Amino acid sequence: AQSVTQPDIHITVSEGASLELRCNYSYGATPYLFWYVQSPGQGLQLLLKYFSGDTLVQGIKGFEAEFKRSQSSFNLRKPSVHWSDAAEYFCAVGVRTGGFKTIFGAGTRLFVKA
Amino acid sequence: DAGVIQSPRHEVTEMGQEVTLRCKPISGHDYLFWYRQTMMRGLELLIYFNNNVPIDDSGMPEDRFSAKMPNASFSTLKIQPSEPRDSAVYFCASSPDRVDQPQHFGDGTRLSIL
Repeated sequence: AQSVTQPDIHITVSEGASLELRCNYSYGATPYLFWYVQSPGQGLQLLLKYFSGDTLVQGIKGFEAEFKRSQSSFNLRKPSVHWSDAAEYFCAVGVRTGGFKTIFGAGTRLFVKA
Repeated sequence: DAGVIQSPRHEVTEMGQEVTLRCKPISGHDYLFWYRQTMMRGLELLIYFNNNVPIDDSGMPEDRFSAKMPNASFSTLKIQPSEPRDSAVYFCASSPDRVDQPQHFGDGTRLSIL
């Protein structure tokens, strides 16, 4: 069965420090992978996506993610976190099941301390 | 470009009342999704449509919930009768007919059932 696991429910980092959010997926076919961000009171917004090619993908707001097929991982990184990055982050995989849908992880809430 | 539009943004009503949530997807998108988000359960997929046809409603919690998509530009999610445990943020999202394309989310409807 398809699934997405985000092992960290919440993470706290200092402003200016680096960030890595973990994501592991389970899917038998070629994965279509996404990272979304949700700010308070808003819907989810796409940060970046991967479906082929270079395994290191760049997204908006200075984020990047690396696809590692051998580890079934798609971790999100940012070299220097800003206070405005405090939000909830969702990893997701697109799957075809008759139609198609996106399976979301449980999310990781990021807190940024001054 | 107009994004996914949901109305109302907030709804407060008493238990037993009928609640109707509305969604206008992005023009040209073939898929429409309804999600529910709570602290306890996270983001849950309730139902999704392809070209106005319901594809998978296995996430609809009970018969009290129903969803329709009478045309490509409008969908409703109805709860009748409503109960306090239905209190949540309900999101609508739409996407093109491509598994490698992200979903575009509305800002959600925050529903409180007293």
